[in-house]
Amino acid sequence: DAGVTQSPTHLIKTRGQQVTLRCSPKSGHDTVSWYQQALGQGPQFIFQYYEEEERQRGNFPDRFSGHQFPNYSSELNVNALLLGDSALYLCASSSDWSGGTKAFFGQGTRLTVV
Amino acid sequence: QQPVQSPQAVILREGEDAVINCSSSKALYSVHWYRQKHGEAPVFLMILLKGGEQKGHDKISASFNEKKQQSSLYLTASQLSYSGTYFCGTVPDGGATNKLIFGTGTLLAVQP
Repeated sequence: DAGVTQSPTHLIKTRGQQVTLRCSPKSGHDTVSWYQQALGQGPQFIFQYYEEEERQRGNFPDRFSGHQFPNYSSELNVNALLLGDSALYLCASSSDWSGGTKAFFGQGTRLTVV
Repeated sequence: QQPVQSPQAVILREGEDAVINCSSSKALYSVHWYRQKHGEAPVFLMILLKGGEQKGHDKISASFNEKKQQSSLYLTASQLSYSGTYFCGTVPDGGATNKLIFGTGTLLAVQP
């Protein structure tokens, strides 16, 4: 059983460009959350998708957007990249979105903006 | 709103014990513990729910004091594989979300 998979693993972009990151959830999971982890910090919640809808959003600007597909996979899009967007982007999947449900993380995409 | 973890870092010899604390200023529904090795994904360790019992498996256990909004992770007879950064992720009281608010992290290094 494959766990949460993310692609690509590493990415280098130039300021002002746009980027798309992808996530396939663990089998049987329908809820996908995205987190941003800056170096030396804990992950910060970006948003969560369930049934192809964004159901919850963290404190991130509209430059960050996402999508969930019918097969539950998800994309994170970031427009007009800033140097400060350089971070590890983590995808987490879970079987539902209640507070007692464990979330499993993918290995992340390391984004570097130059 | 971010939970505070203590200590920030700890160095152990194999076989020694450690306690990592997570403290929130908000009432909590659950606390989730993860271990992350450098360059890898956070790995789920355990969840503690409001009203639940202390949990544990193998030599890692945890407790959750709802009144103090605090959780502690106990590592006994540490092994080299325990090295990494430990994060607590908290869910505010109400429980209608599994959006995690992660703590500041505790770096644990186990030496031979």
